[in-house]
Amino acid sequence: DAGVIQSPRHEVTEMGQEVTLRCKPISGHDYLFWYRQTMMRGLELLIYFNNNVPIDDSGMPEDRFSAKMPNASFSTLKIQPSEPRDSAVYFCASSPRTGTDTQYFGPGTRLTVL
Amino acid sequence: QKEVEQNSGPLSVPEGAIASLNCTYSDRGSQSFFWYRQYSGKSPELIMFIYSNGDKEDGRFTAQLNKASQYVSLLIRDSQPSDSATYLCAVTFSGTYKYIFGTGTRLKVLA
Repeated sequence: DAGVIQSPRHEVTEMGQEVTLRCKPISGHDYLFWYRQTMMRGLELLIYFNNNVPIDDSGMPEDRFSAKMPNASFSTLKIQPSEPRDSAVYFCASSPRTGTDTQYFGPGTRLTVL
Repeated sequence: QKEVEQNSGPLSVPEGAIASLNCTYSDRGSQSFFWYRQYSGKSPELIMFIYSNGDKEDGRFTAQLNKASQYVSLLIRDSQPSDSATYLCAVTFSGTYKYIFGTGTRLKVLA
């Protein structure tokens, strides 16, 4: 299995630009999670989906952030407009519906907003 | 506010020693407990999970859960320099499927 796939791996953009991060979960996993990791705040859950439906978006910091999951094999996290404080590593993780609740993480996208 | 707390470290141990990492959590209804390892610049990878009180062993790793005292720990026997990483504790709280992560403990194994 290819594991969770994220793109791009690195993104450098200027303040005010739109940023779109992409994730392909492990085939057959029904849950998808978006996290943000910074030195100051650690690993924070932003939003998660079950069967393509957003279940909990309480971690989304503000309206500039949005996430979609149009089908079982693709999700996006969009930031519009981006700000320097959004600079972080963004991880996507997926989990199967049954079993141990284990989450499997993608390699992450390192976002730098200048 | 549901919380998971870890000592940030660094915890330094000599090669071959036992490393003991601890985690406390605030919700008595928590059901699932996970330890992830994260190397610098990499993504978290699962080491172990534990659901029931007591010990669970997997190779050099042992997870210990005490629900009455609301802590979970990870022991690493015969520590190796390759074990040097940040160890993240994650807890799922009652009524939810999501993890709450601690801030992690940085472990250094000295050769």
